[in-house]
Amino acid sequence: DAGVIQSPRHEVTEMGQEVTLRCKPISGHDYLFWYRQTMMRGLELLIYFNNNVPIDDSGMPEDRFSAKMPNASFSTLKIQPSEPRDSAVYFCASSLGSRIEAQYFGPGTRLLVL
Amino acid sequence: ILNVEQSPQSLHVQEGDSTNFTCSFPSSNFYALHWYRWETAKSPEALFVMTLNGDEKKKGRISATLNTKEGYSYLYIKGSQPEDSATYLCASVTQGGSEKLVFGKGTKLTVNP
Repeated sequence: DAGVIQSPRHEVTEMGQEVTLRCKPISGHDYLFWYRQTMMRGLELLIYFNNNVPIDDSGMPEDRFSAKMPNASFSTLKIQPSEPRDSAVYFCASSLGSRIEAQYFGPGTRLLVL
Repeated sequence: ILNVEQSPQSLHVQEGDSTNFTCSFPSSNFYALHWYRWETAKSPEALFVMTLNGDEKKKGRISATLNTKEGYSYLYIKGSQPEDSATYLCASVTQGGSEKLVFGKGTKLTVNP
């Protein structure tokens, strides 16, 4: 298996622009997680899905952030409009289960908003 | 709010030294504790998932213990090697409610040759 695939790997954009991050989980995994990594806050969960349904989006910072999972093999995280404080590394992870199953992380998308 | 604390924040050891670091988590409603290894410029990789009080897991020179009653876990590395240099993250998950992992900020280990 190719593992969790994320695109793009790097994104540089200007404040106010829309940014879309993409994730393909490992086939057969029914949980998908979106994380954000910053120096100040570490690795924090934004939202997770179970069987394509959003379960907990309490970590989504504000209405500018939205996530979808239209099918079992694809998810997007969208920021509209983007702001400089959104600059971070965004990771997608997937797992077979939830609490006791290891999560497999993608390579991340490094986002810089100017 | 579930707070997961790790100490020390960073650690420098010499090749061949054995080392250990700590993860503290709230013991109430505990369900599982995860350890991940995160090398620079890569993504986190799972080491262990532990659920039972007194549990001990081992993978090569790395082992971990769990005390759910007092809310801590230790990660041990025996005979550190330069390739062990990484940030080691722990994450706790509780019973009921959300199934999300709450991560600590990690211990950054540097092993000098």
